[in-house]
Amino acid sequence: KQEVTQIPAALSVPEGENLVLNCSFTDSAIYNLQWFRQDPGKGLTSLLLIQSSQREQTSGRLNASLDKSSGRSTLYIAASQPGDSATYLCAVNSGYSTLTFGKGTMLLVSP
Amino acid sequence: ETGVTQTPRHLVMGMTNKKSLKCEQHLGHNAMYWYKQSAKKPLELMFVYNFKEQTENNSVPSRFSPECPNSSHLFLHLHTLQPEDSALYLCASSPWTGAYEQYFGPGTRLTVT
Repeated sequence: KQEVTQIPAALSVPEGENLVLNCSFTDSAIYNLQWFRQDPGKGLTSLLLIQSSQREQTSGRLNASLDKSSGRSTLYIAASQPGDSATYLCAVNSGYSTLTFGKGTMLLVSP
Repeated sequence: ETGVTQTPRHLVMGMTNKKSLKCEQHLGHNAMYWYKQSAKKPLELMFVYNFKEQTENNSVPSRFSPECPNSSHLFLHLHTLQPEDSALYLCASSPWTGAYEQYFGPGTRLTVT
């Protein structure tokens, strides 16, 4: 059974810092990995999708990497801003649209 | 209209009530999903529909009954719920089932009293 772990569970940084969120998964047989952002009480916003054949994806200040063989992904956020404060969720697609989610990393960026 | 919409956004119901959650997607997708997000737990997949046909039921109790009349609409009928069913219920869609990006709605916050 696929299990996804996200570290740290919570992170507080001052504005302007670069930061890394970590995601690990137990079964490397995945189709893709997706990073989401969730604001309090809201739905999920897709940030980046990495297919199993890819090593990384970039969107603006966000860069996600994937090392499938070691079961790891990182989300790098450059020059963090208060508007980046949210919970970041990692989800792996192990087949037929079954997404397995981690519990998330709650990020607080202070001005 | 945003991609995936859900109504109502908030719902309070007693254990003997019957209510329904509605999801609509305007993305031309053929696959739709229901997820449950409880406090302190990861999101859990409940049901998957591909082109109106249910393809997955993730061992969900029968007090949750999904309905997908067409590729754009998905319902979750609720009856005789328990307080532990209180959660955020999220709907998602993707072009097809498989290795496609999923797009989520804003969710319905359900409280069972």
